Amino acid sequence: EVQLVESGGGLVQPGGSLRLSCAASGFTFSSFAMSWVRQAPGKGLEWVSIITESGDFTSYIDSVKGRFIMSRDNSKNTLYLQVNSLRVEDTAVYYCARRWRCSRNGCSHDFWGQGALVTVSS
Amino acid sequence: DIQMTQFPSSLSASVGDRVTITCRASQGISEYLAWVQQKPGKAPKSLISAASTLQSGVPSNFSGSGSGTEFTLTISSLQPEDVATYYCQQYYNYPLTFGGGTKVEIK
Repeated sequence: EVQLVESGGGLVQPGGSLRLSCAASGFTFSSFAMSWVRQAPGKGLEWVSIITESGDFTSYIDSVKGRFIMSRDNSKNTLYLQVNSLRVEDTAVYYCARRWRCSRNGCSHDFWGQGALVTVSS
Repeated sequence: DIQMTQFPSSLSASVGDRVTITCRASQGISEYLAWVQQKPGKAPKSLISAASTLQSGVPSNFSGSGSGTEFTLTISSLQPEDVATYYCQQYYNYPLTFGGGTKVEIK
């Protein structure tokens, strides 16, 4: 059974940092690209970033470029999102998601984690 | 960026009704379109990819169609457990973008 379990969320002040983790099990983690998708309270879904199977390519939404860093450790079956210089508007539930079908420039997702809440507030 | 527009933004229908949700892309995306269901208070769940391919385990009363710029998600017979918000997502190009969502309720 495919499982994705996020952790590392919490309350942080503006300008602060957190590292989110997503522990994967039930599949060959190193064979799948992975994404982070977030959802602000009461709002819709917003894709944040994607990383290839080997970790050699990442892509980010413009609003987080230079502040967020996505990485993975295939030996630990774990995905990471280092979130720095946090802003109030980064407050959201952050979901990790496994790639399903891909075009040359993007992927849909088949399995999602339960999410980790990041609250940015003073 | 490719803008995804869904309509209606909400709908209310009776159990057993046929429900159709439309998603329009601001430019052609071939068939690189996915549908995601999110029940209240829950994580998203993927339903469809490649415009019409059902995720394993998704009930057959869900179906998707379309290509280019216009796509539809159809629930052939609405059930109480289908109450959710439905999102379309393009994966033709980065940044991946979602529609604003369609909230489906039971009348």
